[in-house]
Amino acid sequence: GAVVSQHPSWVICKSGTSVKIECRSLDFQATTMFWYRQFPKQSLMLMATSNEGSKATYEQGVEKDKFLINHASLTLSTLTVTSAHPEDSSFYICSPLPYSGTGVKNYEQYFGPGTRLTVT
Amino acid sequence: DAKTTQPPSMDCAEGRAANLPCNHSTISGNEYVYWYRQIHSQGPQYIIHGLKNNETNEMASLIITEDRKSSTLILPHATLRDTAVYYCIVWPGTASKLTFGTGTRLQVTL
Repeated sequence: GAVVSQHPSWVICKSGTSVKIECRSLDFQATTMFWYRQFPKQSLMLMATSNEGSKATYEQGVEKDKFLINHASLTLSTLTVTSAHPEDSSFYICSPLPYSGTGVKNYEQYFGPGTRLTVT
Repeated sequence: DAKTTQPPSMDCAEGRAANLPCNHSTISGNEYVYWYRQIHSQGPQYIIHGLKNNETNEMASLIITEDRKSSTLILPHATLRDTAVYYCIVWPGTASKLTFGTGTRLQVTL
């Protein structure tokens, strides 16, 4: 159990366009979703936390109007990078938090495989 | 503010034990010691966690000092596929943010 998928796994887009990244928990429900990004040779940095049906909470320095998060269901969350620029090129990783009682281990935080975004 | 301190890199010969240290001198009583690893261009993978007792699973062993201020992750027989960045994290468990430090880059060589 505890399978997390992200789509696409990689994407190249032109500067000024928007890109949507999907994160799905395939065999469990997640009321909370964490989104991280990772620049080359750096650690993962938490961008935002979202709860199903609520607005996301963004970490300091992360522009909420640029990184739109939708967590409309317990198995799907999306991150949209609007008007992407080369400095947004990064590895984006989602991490759904299992809903208590869904049968997956609740002491372990699960991560998606990541989406590599390159903005040209 | 870093809650854990790890060496930036380590090397290990294949087949030998890899011992990865971590200092967490400000750990709180309700915080566990977690270890995750990240193989290049993949999402982090859970390895093991513990509160105060030593733990072992199919992947690794975790040794936590009695004062809980430091710990060691042991990969008993490292393989090339264990080459990754290993993160030591102190965390009270789910429902709170999991914050990554800089980790230790383990290089397993022939």
